Amino acid sequence: EVQLVESGGGLVQPGRSLRLSCAASGFTFDDYAMHWVRQAPGKGLEWVSGISWNSGSIGYADSVKGRFSISRDNAKNSLFLQMSSLRTEDTALYYCAKDMYRYGLLLHDVFDIWGQGTMVTVSS
Amino acid sequence: DIQMTQSPSSLSASVGDRVTMTCRASQSISRYLNWYQEKPGKAPKLLIYDASSLQSGVPSRFSGSGSGTDFTLTISSLQPEDFATYYCQQSYSTPHDFGGGTKVEIK
Repeated sequence: EVQLVESGGGLVQPGRSLRLSCAASGFTFDDYAMHWVRQAPGKGLEWVSGISWNSGSIGYADSVKGRFSISRDNAKNSLFLQMSSLRTEDTALYYCAKDMYRYGLLLHDVFDIWGQGTMVTVSS
Repeated sequence: DIQMTQSPSSLSASVGDRVTMTCRASQSISRYLNWYQEKPGKAPKLLIYDASSLQSGVPSRFSGSGSGTDFTLTISSLQPEDFATYYCQQSYSTPHDFGGGTKVEIK
């Protein structure tokens, strides 16, 4: 079964850091681009960041550029999001999502598999 | 960045109704437009990709159309399990922005 399981969320103070992880199973992880998408409470979906299958292409939303860093470990079938200088507006449910197409380079990505999400709350 | 605008933001409909919602891009995105369904407490689910391709396992009552800047998601006969929020997303370029959503409620 294709599965994505996020972890690492929690309550953190503004200005602090947090690292999210996403464990993948049931598919050839290193063939696919991966993404983080978030949803603030009561709000819509926001694409946060994406990384190509070989880590050669990386992209960020303007709202997190310079503060968040995406990475992957293909040997461990894992995706990461290092979040620093956190703000209250980063409070959201963070989803890990898989690209539908093999060998994607952050062009024309379609998110066909999603995890259940991990909640990040930034508050003093 | 490409702005995605969905309308209406919400609609009320009855089981069996034909429902249509639209998504407009601020510039041409060819056919790189995807639709997702979201229900409370659940992860979003891909319904339609590349404007009109039905994702495997999705009922055929869902259909998508459009190209360029204007796109439509249609549910031909609304079922009880279809009451949810629907999001469009452009995959033409990063950032892969989503629209604000259309919430389909029971009339």
